[in-house]
Amino acid sequence: QVQLQESGPGLVKPSETLSLTCAVSGYSISSGYYWGWIRQPPGKGLEWIGSIYYNGSTYYNPSLKSRVTISLDTSKNHFSLRLNSVTAADTAFYYCARQEVDFDTSGPEEFDYWGQGTLVTVSS
Amino acid sequence: EIVLTQSPGTLSLSPGERATLSCRASQSVSSSYLAWYQQKPGQAPRLLIYGASNRATGIPDRFSGSGSGTDFTLTISRLEPEDFAVYYCQQYGSSHTFGQGTKLEIK
Repeated sequence: QVQLQESGPGLVKPSETLSLTCAVSGYSISSGYYWGWIRQPPGKGLEWIGSIYYNGSTYYNPSLKSRVTISLDTSKNHFSLRLNSVTAADTAFYYCARQEVDFDTSGPEEFDYWGQGTLVTVSS
Repeated sequence: EIVLTQSPGTLSLSPGERATLSCRASQSVSSSYLAWYQQKPGQAPRLLIYGASNRATGIPDRFSGSGSGTDFTLTISRLEPEDFAVYYCQQYGSSHTFGQGTKLEIK
């Protein structure tokens, strides 16, 4: 059974960098699939942040691309999110998730396994 | 960017009734690359439907998805008490975007 677990600071100061890690168990992230990050401001809808393929290729939401970096650490079987220059608008629940792969195009598809989410508040 | 608009915003129904939720895209979603998720308070979203009409593993057959192009529908044939939640659609044909959600509440 694949399980994902987010971890990281729950409070980040404005203008600083938000850093989260997603630990994966039950599957080796170097074997396949995409691994993504999604966020949800409290009481609001879902926003895709970006995804990374098992080979290291990355895809980012154009609206966040200039501030986002997603990376893999296969030795620890986890992947990470860095979002720099944060503001209060970045306050949200952050979820990590596994994404299926399109058989024909090898592109990222739906999110089939999710972490429980972690709340990150941006405040001084 | 493909914008997904879900309707209605809130749907009030009773257990045993049929629920029909709509997701309309601002442009055609290629290859029916559309998924539906259910989210309950304090929980992560759960995948229900992918490829517009394929049920995910373990999802009861009262959930069904249909549609193509710009119009997609999630139908719950007979509502169970545990089905009352927020439902989101997501397209992955051109980058990734989510709809704003439909809240299904008990009448």
